[in-house]
Amino acid sequence: DAGVIQSPRHEVTEMGQEVTLRCKPISGHDYLFWYRQTMMRGLELLIYFNNNVPIDDSGMPEDRFSAKMPNASFSTLKIQPSEPRDSAVYFCASSRTGETEAFFGQGTRLTVV
Amino acid sequence: AQSVTQLDSQVPVFEEAPVELRCNYSSSVSVYLFWYVQYPNQGLQLLLKYLSGSTLVESINGFEAEFNKSQTSFHLRKPSVHISDTAEYFCAVSEGNAGNMLTFGGGTRLMVKP
Repeated sequence: DAGVIQSPRHEVTEMGQEVTLRCKPISGHDYLFWYRQTMMRGLELLIYFNNNVPIDDSGMPEDRFSAKMPNASFSTLKIQPSEPRDSAVYFCASSRTGETEAFFGQGTRLTVV
Repeated sequence: AQSVTQLDSQVPVFEEAPVELRCNYSSSVSVYLFWYVQYPNQGLQLLLKYLSGSTLVESINGFEAEFNKSQTSFHLRKPSVHISDTAEYFCAVSEGNAGNMLTFGGGTRLMVKP
């Protein structure tokens, strides 16, 4: 398996623009997580899905952030409108019920100018 | 609720010297414990994990960590580091449910100098 695939790897956008980050989990995994990594706050969980259903979105910072998982092989994290403080590395991870490891993608480095 | 504390944000060390990266956690339930490594501009890779059984766990590249329940610690050690070990190391806990939802520590940057 190719692992968790995220796109794009890097995104630079202007303040106020909409940004969409994409994630393809490992085939057969039924959990998907979105994490954000910043210097100030470290790695924090934004939202996670089980069987395509959002279970806990308490980590989503504001209503400007939204996440969807329309099917088992695809998820998006959208920021609209984006702000400079959203600049961070966003990681997607997936895992399977009964297993004890979550697998991470390479991350998307977002810069909002 | 769980929390993880990594006491050192940066650890500089000379090549071939031993190193210990400290991790303490708090949780009201039993947890699984993990160390992840992040090389520059890369994602997170699992280094080792403690689930149950022997409290000493090892990785394939010479790292080891010991689970100490009484001290709620899971420190990472290596007897002799290499330049290639330069990376950021994250300690994390999971309750083993919710698909292994992880709570991370703040990370420790290991800087190995020649």
